[in-house]
Amino acid sequence: VQLVEAGGGLVQPGGSLRLSCEGSGFTFNYWMTWVRQAPGKGLEWVATVNPDGSEKYYVDSVRGRFIISRDNAKNSLYLQLNSLRAEDTAVFYCARGGSRHLDNWGQGTLVTVSP
Amino acid sequence: DIVLTQSPATLSLSPGERATLSCRASQSIASSLAWYQQKPGQAPRLLVQDASSRASGIPARFSGSGSGTDFTLTISSLEPEDFAVYYCQQRSNWPLTFGQGTRLDI
Repeated sequence: VQLVEAGGGLVQPGGSLRLSCEGSGFTFNYWMTWVRQAPGKGLEWVATVNPDGSEKYYVDSVRGRFIISRDNAKNSLYLQLNSLRAEDTAVFYCARGGSRHLDNWGQGTLVTVSP
Repeated sequence: DIVLTQSPATLSLSPGERATLSCRASQSIASSLAWYQQKPGQAPRLLVQDASSRASGIPARFSGSGSGTDFTLTISSLEPEDFAVYYCQQRSNWPLTFGQGTRLDI
């Protein structure tokens, strides 16, 4: 099982980014989740999507700004980040699971929101 | 939201000693609790799921127990590579939540 995130970078407040996570070594019909970690802080769940994309769950602080999606044909998970704020600065991890626990994690991609 | 409170915040022990980490939930979550280990610069790793089931490849020195609101992760005899930060996480209710972490120091 391997999960590889991409798409992080430096963005100005109010800007947008799209993160991606490509899975390999397993059949991609799992619940999938994004978790973030601000510098020097703990883990925060961000969003989860079910295997066919019909159910999506978000933490309150990102609902309406972030959108989780997936393309099973491409074994890929996405997170569209809009209206970014300084407090969104974090390493974003994708992880396999969500209805059950998170059994495999990617290496993370850093999002920095700064003028 | 279900709040998970981990204690202690920091635990200082020596290799070979036994470590006991606690996680308390603000309401009953049955056995819907996991433990993760995170080393500096690395992604978290699942250690224990459903309160007491070791994840694949996890050494037998790691064990989880508890149900309802009180949970424990025990490391029976610390190895040098066990010094890290440990998080608990519940999947009983949305939003999924994590504890604030326990740092295990040498």
